[in-house]
Amino acid sequence: EDQVTQSPEALRLQEGESSSLNCSYTVSGLRGLFWYRQDPGKGPEFLFTLYSAGEEKEKERLKATLTKKESFLHITAPKPEDSATYLCAVRGGAQKLVFGQGTRLTINP
Amino acid sequence: NAGVTQTPKFQVLKTGQSMTLQCAQDMNHEYMSWYRQDPGMGLRLIHYSVGAGITDQGEVPNGYNVSRSTTEDFPLRLLSAAPSQTSVYFCASLTGAGGNTIYFGEGSWLTVV
Repeated sequence: EDQVTQSPEALRLQEGESSSLNCSYTVSGLRGLFWYRQDPGKGPEFLFTLYSAGEEKEKERLKATLTKKESFLHITAPKPEDSATYLCAVRGGAQKLVFGQGTRLTINP
Repeated sequence: NAGVTQTPKFQVLKTGQSMTLQCAQDMNHEYMSWYRQDPGMGLRLIHYSVGAGITDQGEVPNGYNVSRSTTEDFPLRLLSAAPSQTSVYFCASLTGAGGNTIYFGEGSWLTVV
């Protein structure tokens, strides 16, 4: 059974304080690991897709990395506008997309 | 190119009523799925489809039915609404095995009283 576990559930940081969010997964035949951000009352917004261990992608203050068991979303010098819920999802051999429960990130000015 | 169109955006139902949430995509995506999102939680998979005529259950399928008669449409039916089905529902689509972006509908806020 494909499973995704995100940690921590919630994280509060001061502006400029770098940190990482974790996404641990078990899947049969990984076909993609996805990171999305979601603001309250809105749909998820695409950030990254990773396909194989060792792959890394960057976008502004965010960097996603992937190993065979987990992915990290590194946030460098965050700003208050980075506050959101960050969602991780995996797609396995059965092609279904399974999401984790998300990490609620709050950046205090 | 409209992407994923999901309707209605808001709906209030009485317990026991039935309704259908509509989802349509114009990108010729093979994969479509329905999720529900409860407060403070991630997206839980209800049903999914990997192509026309093919559907399968996700994590929380009870109380919901789906069908996939065409590539474009993937409606979600609530057979007899219950207060526990009060939630936000998202439809999503993705191209085939190599798809790199999940496209979401705007969400449907459903309240069952």
